[in-house]
Amino acid sequence: GAGVSQSPSNKVTEKGKDVELRCDPISGHTALYWYRQRLGQGLEFLIYFQGNSAPDKSGLPSDRFSAERTGESVSTLTIQRTQQEDSAVYLCASSSSMNTGELFFGEGSRLTVL
Amino acid sequence: AQSVTQLDSQVPVFEEAPVELRCNYSSSVSVYLFWYVQYPNQGLQLLLKYLSGSTLVKGINGFEAEFNKSQTSFHLRKPSVHISDTAEYFCAVMLTGGGNKLTFGTGTQLKVEL
Repeated sequence: GAGVSQSPSNKVTEKGKDVELRCDPISGHTALYWYRQRLGQGLEFLIYFQGNSAPDKSGLPSDRFSAERTGESVSTLTIQRTQQEDSAVYLCASSSSMNTGELFFGEGSRLTVL
Repeated sequence: AQSVTQLDSQVPVFEEAPVELRCNYSSSVSVYLFWYVQYPNQGLQLLLKYLSGSTLVKGINGFEAEFNKSQTSFHLRKPSVHISDTAEYFCAVMLTGGGNKLTFGTGTQLKVEL
């Protein structure tokens, strides 16, 4: 498809387990973002990749969170030793350099930590 | 650091009535301003944006917003809503000076009733 694709759409895991969330951005988009949306709260910035520049990791809440991106394609967000407060919808978005602030979002990965 | 405040978490309105969704921002430097919409079971999409020029900007589906620098506001308006406008609306800011990180508000749930 032409949009941002995220997988899995739903993930239920036990406390202490590691999880990986995947994002396929729109082809040709140089920027990729991860946001977190907790129930009843706004979107919380996690990390931002722009081309080959060093990623902006300023939003990662702890060292249990990490993300990688291969070139200008797929990105993986990894949460180690999950905690119940990690339960949220994790949103990925991509954008091109041509349109300031226009992010294209995926439908998100809903993570539930039991 | 910049921040966004959406005072109304929920706004119920009858169909064909006008609506205003409020957004105020805080920043020590100039910003770009955005409204995003999230329809049920869909990803966020851009509704409209203010980068420069006319302070009144028009977006999709008949929505418009006005940038008021003195009041640091960017309220979203529609003169006559439709059932299909039921969605969550997010206001966001981005610093003009560099970086493409969007800071989002907590969202306003617009519920249009018959």
